[in-house]
Amino acid sequence: QKEVEQNSGPLSVPEGAIASLNCTYSDRGSQSFFWYRQYSGKSPELIMSIYSNGDKEDGRFTAQLNKASQYVSLLIRDSQPSDSATYLCAVNVANTGNQFYFGTGTSLTVIP
Amino acid sequence: GAGVSQSPSNKVTEKGKDVELRCDPISGHTALYWYRQSLGQGLEFLIYFQGNSAPDKSGLPSDRFSAERTGGSVSTLTIQRTQQEDSAVYLCASSLEHRGPYRNEQYFGPGTRLTVT
Repeated sequence: QKEVEQNSGPLSVPEGAIASLNCTYSDRGSQSFFWYRQYSGKSPELIMSIYSNGDKEDGRFTAQLNKASQYVSLLIRDSQPSDSATYLCAVNVANTGNQFYFGTGTSLTVIP
Repeated sequence: GAGVSQSPSNKVTEKGKDVELRCDPISGHTALYWYRQSLGQGLEFLIYFQGNSAPDKSGLPSDRFSAERTGGSVSTLTIQRTQQEDSAVYLCASSLEHRGPYRNEQYFGPGTRLTVT
């Protein structure tokens, strides 16, 4: 079982819609959770971090964390074509030497 | 301020040659990470440094891979006797600290694309 699992997609949404990206993780010792956006041919760019249960909003982005269900999600409101990218979920596990695990990413396409 | 920088941006080498990849982290960041990303794949953790020490080398794929960090800043990843399966993008990231929440957000450099022919 992988430490971090994401639906690889591709996920397609129309412009202006809400895109919902999901991630599950296996280690209950996980402390920190991150979402990265990666455009084709570019390196990952940090867009959200979340550490406590609940929602965290930043502009059009909302990260949601549920530690009991070992689930973290990213919502993108009013999706724009420029949001088309691969979104990587990352988890920091405190009890394994502070290892970071990345999911394989979900490809999002926003259709104009 | 300046972000993480990596050099070279592209490297083409012949099978069997040694290569050195360089990473210059964000100033003040004590933690530094190396990852590898093959085409269409996720990130593969290689090694991380806290200061100049590398507590976790478990991700290095073979003894042909080594890394060092001097002065708590610049790091070099060395691949000896390169093989075609080493072809990938090598990414470096840095963060303020490695331990504890709130301070371990990683910021990535642009990567080095390595092609072994």
